[in-house]
Amino acid sequence: KAGVTQTPRYLIKTRGQQVTLSCSPISGHRSVSWYQQTPGQGLQFLFEYFSETQRNKGNFPGRFSGRQFSNSRSEMNVSTLELGDSALYLCASSGDRVNTEAFFGQGTRLTVV
Amino acid sequence: AQSVTQLDSQVPVFEEAPVELRCNYSSSVSVYLFWYVQYPNQGLQLLLKYLSGSTLVKGINGFEAEFNKSQTSFHLRKPSVHISDTAEYFCAVSNTGNQFYFGTGTSLTVIP
Repeated sequence: KAGVTQTPRYLIKTRGQQVTLSCSPISGHRSVSWYQQTPGQGLQFLFEYFSETQRNKGNFPGRFSGRQFSNSRSEMNVSTLELGDSALYLCASSGDRVNTEAFFGQGTRLTVV
Repeated sequence: AQSVTQLDSQVPVFEEAPVELRCNYSSSVSVYLFWYVQYPNQGLQLLLKYLSGSTLVKGINGFEAEFNKSQTSFHLRKPSVHISDTAEYFCAVSNTGNQFYFGTGTSLTVIP
């Protein structure tokens, strides 16, 4: 079956703009998590959605938000972009049971200039 | 709270030699442990996981790891590495929902 699909793969935005990233999970998976990966901070958990509800949230400012649709597709939005938001954003989908394997997409590389 | 420490940021090793990538975790509750691999410009791929049962876990590509509760460790091993094993390796723990805490990663370089 198809894997996790993230679009777009690459983005360049200007400081102050906003951006929306998309993630389509594996068919049948209702849990979608988002992570930010940077050289300095490594992989950091942003939030997790399950059946359209945010189930867990990491320690990121309110400029980072997300949502999940009824078909389990998820979007992540970052408003008022800062240079430090430049990162690889990874989406992971999981089955219904907790602590099962997370399947990762290839990520969206966001560059803020 | 949970945290993961990967003790080695870079590990160079000759082809066909054995390798061990170290991972220690801290948690006040039971955890589930994972090793992921990341190739350049790619997402993460699961190598192996420990949920319960046998403390020796075998994964893909010939990797294995041993869960040691008393030492709070989950070291990854491979008896003979190949050039294609060159990648970044991440240890992770999880105990609530599908929220994973990752280590800072170990860059494995296999030298021909």
